Amino acid sequence: NAGVTQTPKFQVLKTGQSMTLQCAQDMNHEYMSWYRQDPGMGLRLIHYSVGAGITDQGEVPNGYNVSRSTTEDFPLRLLSAAPSQTSVYFCASSYNRQVNYGYTFGSGTRLTVV
Amino acid sequence: QKEVEQDPGPLSVPEGAIVSLNCTYSNSAFQYFMWYRQYSRKGPELLMYTYSSGNKEDGRFTAQVDKSSKYISLFIRDSQPSDSATYLCASPSGSARQLTFGSGTQLTVLP
Repeated sequence: NAGVTQTPKFQVLKTGQSMTLQCAQDMNHEYMSWYRQDPGMGLRLIHYSVGAGITDQGEVPNGYNVSRSTTEDFPLRLLSAAPSQTSVYFCASSYNRQVNYGYTFGSGTRLTVV
Repeated sequence: QKEVEQDPGPLSVPEGAIVSLNCTYSNSAFQYFMWYRQYSRKGPELLMYTYSSGNKEDGRFTAQVDKSSKYISLFIRDSQPSDSATYLCASPSGSARQLTFGSGTQLTVLP
């Protein structure tokens, strides 16, 4: 099993560009989510999904879109990149829709917006 | 006020020391608690989870929850340089549809 796979690992964008961060899991997990991690701010939830076709907003959703067409994939789209979106992005998944037993995280995507 | 608060450190200890990492939480409805370890430039990995109050032990690691004071702790015995990492506490919030994380404590174990 590969677990949670994120691509790309690094990306530099210009302000105003759009891009999609990919996340795939092969553990048949129902729940998937996107977090961003910033110094001093910790991990903050952007969006999450409890199953194919179902998504919801987290703490910091503005500027990001998600969709969940399959159980395996949960891409994160940046619509018009801004320097404030410079961060490390983590995708995480959980077997249960309720996350009482924690997540499995991917290895992260380091995004710089210039 | 953040729902989960954690002293960011950094914390530096000699090899072999007992390490105590601590978090406080504000939501009395929290029942499950987790500790994650994150090495530099890596994703967090789940170390342990506990339910309600009490202790849970796994090798050199012990997680402790005191619900009366809303305090959670992670103890590391016989600490090793390989334990050098950032440790994050977390708990499900809302309808258990998301984890709320502390900001992390950076630990360095010196050989």
